[in-house]
Amino acid sequence: EVQLVESGGGLVQPGGSLRLSCAASGFTFSSYSMNWVRQAPGKGLEWVSYISSSSSTIYYADSVKGRFTISRDNAKNSLYLQMNSLRAEDTAVYYCARERKDYYGSGSYYYWFDPWGQGTLVTVSS
Amino acid sequence: SSELTQDPAVSVALGQTVRITCQGDSLRSYYASWYQQKPGQAPVLVIYGKNNRPSGIPDRFSGSSSGNTASLTITGAQAEDEADYYCNSRDSSGNYWVFGGGTKLTVL
Repeated sequence: EVQLVESGGGLVQPGGSLRLSCAASGFTFSSYSMNWVRQAPGKGLEWVSYISSSSSTIYYADSVKGRFTISRDNAKNSLYLQMNSLRAEDTAVYYCARERKDYYGSGSYYYWFDPWGQGTLVTVSS
Repeated sequence: SSELTQDPAVSVALGQTVRITCQGDSLRSYYASWYQQKPGQAPVLVIYGKNNRPSGIPDRFSGSSSGNTASLTITGAQAEDEADYYCNSRDSSGNYWVFGGGTKLTVL
């Protein structure tokens, strides 16, 4: 069974740091790009960060750029998100999601996220 | 980065057809994917690409796209379809992902 399990969430003070982990199983982790997506309480989904299968390409949302660092360890089938200088607005459930893509011609691809983990809650508060 | 716009809420009578739309410039370059999210649960993929359903997703779910608009159609909505639905695509630059604000579907 393809599965993603996040961990590492918790309560942290503003300005503090936290490291999230995402353990992958049931598929060849090193072959897939991965993403972090978050959801603030009662709000919609917000993409946070992307990392390619070999870690050669990394992207961040403007809201976290310079504060968050995405990484992966393909030997451990694990994805990470190091979060520094945390703010109250970073409070959210953080999901990891596998990126899938499929070629449909003329140099174009479909892209989608599947599966998603169950999420881990990060609360930034004093 | 670009944005995707969804109606905040839509309702449908049990057994009827409902269409949820998503608009954005990035949809001229990339197909949308659609996710269903029920309270307290992680999002679940329901449609990707031109009109592809993952295994386990009922065939009452379908997708379409035209210009800058993507649509998710539920034909014969069931009570269990009541949920939040999000569209998603790559940003026009290809360096970001964007989500729509979500549509809360109520089945009456």
